[in-house]
Amino acid sequence: GAVVSQHPSWVICKSGTSVKIECRSLDFQATTMFWYRQFPKQSLMLMATSNEGSKATYEQGVEKDKFLINHASLTLSTLTVTSAHPEDSSFYICSARDPGPLRTDTQYFGPGTRLTVL
Amino acid sequence: DAKTTQPPSMDCAEGRAANLPCNHSTISGNEYVYWYRQIHSQGPQYIIHGLKNNETNEMASLIITEDRKSSTLILPHATLRDTAVYYCIVRVDTGFQKLVFGTGTRLLVSP
Repeated sequence: GAVVSQHPSWVICKSGTSVKIECRSLDFQATTMFWYRQFPKQSLMLMATSNEGSKATYEQGVEKDKFLINHASLTLSTLTVTSAHPEDSSFYICSARDPGPLRTDTQYFGPGTRLTVL
Repeated sequence: DAKTTQPPSMDCAEGRAANLPCNHSTISGNEYVYWYRQIHSQGPQYIIHGLKNNETNEMASLIITEDRKSSTLILPHATLRDTAVYYCIVRVDTGFQKLVFGTGTRLLVSP
C-alpha cells in the first residue's frame, strides 16, 4: 500500500516552454500533497504544499506564477513549470500524506521527475 | 520544527548491523521522529517513525532515548541494496506537517 506515482519520469524541453508533471496517490486519498526540488548532490527542498480544493502554499523564495500547482482531486496534484529555463533543470519529487489506519499522516514519495531544459 | 544532526557518512560491512545516529536535542513533545532513505536518483523511501517508544518493522528498528533528544536507526543485517542517503526528520503534528530534509547520512555498505 501507500504508492505514489509520477509522470513523466523524465522530460527534456526547450527553453520557454511549459512542462506539466503529475503526481498520483494510487491506493489512498491524499488531501495534502507536497512538491520538492532536488539539485545534484543536494538535499530535497520543499517548494509548496498542495491542498485539495484550495490554493497551494508556497515556501519562501518559490515563484508561484512560475510553478503552478493544481490539486483538483484527492488522488492527483500537478506541477506546471511555466516558461522553463535551463536553471529550472532539476529533479522534481512529490509526496502525498496518507492518514493511515492509525492516522499518523505519513508522507510517501513518488519516484521523481528529471527535468532538463535546453 | 526541531533541527537534526547526523554524521555525513558511515560505512558498514554487508551482513552486519548498521546503526545510524541522529541528534534532535530541541525536539518538542508533539514532534515525531521520521526516517527516510534515498537511493540514487529515486524518490525518498519511508522507513519508520516514532514518538517516544521504540519501534520495529520489517525494514528497521528505531530506538529513541528516554529524553527524546536522540535516536538510532538500526538496519539489523545490512545488504548492498541498503547503500543510500538516510534522513532523520522531526515533524510537528500540527498544520501541514511538513518534512524538512537535512543533509542526511550517506551509508555505504561494502561486501
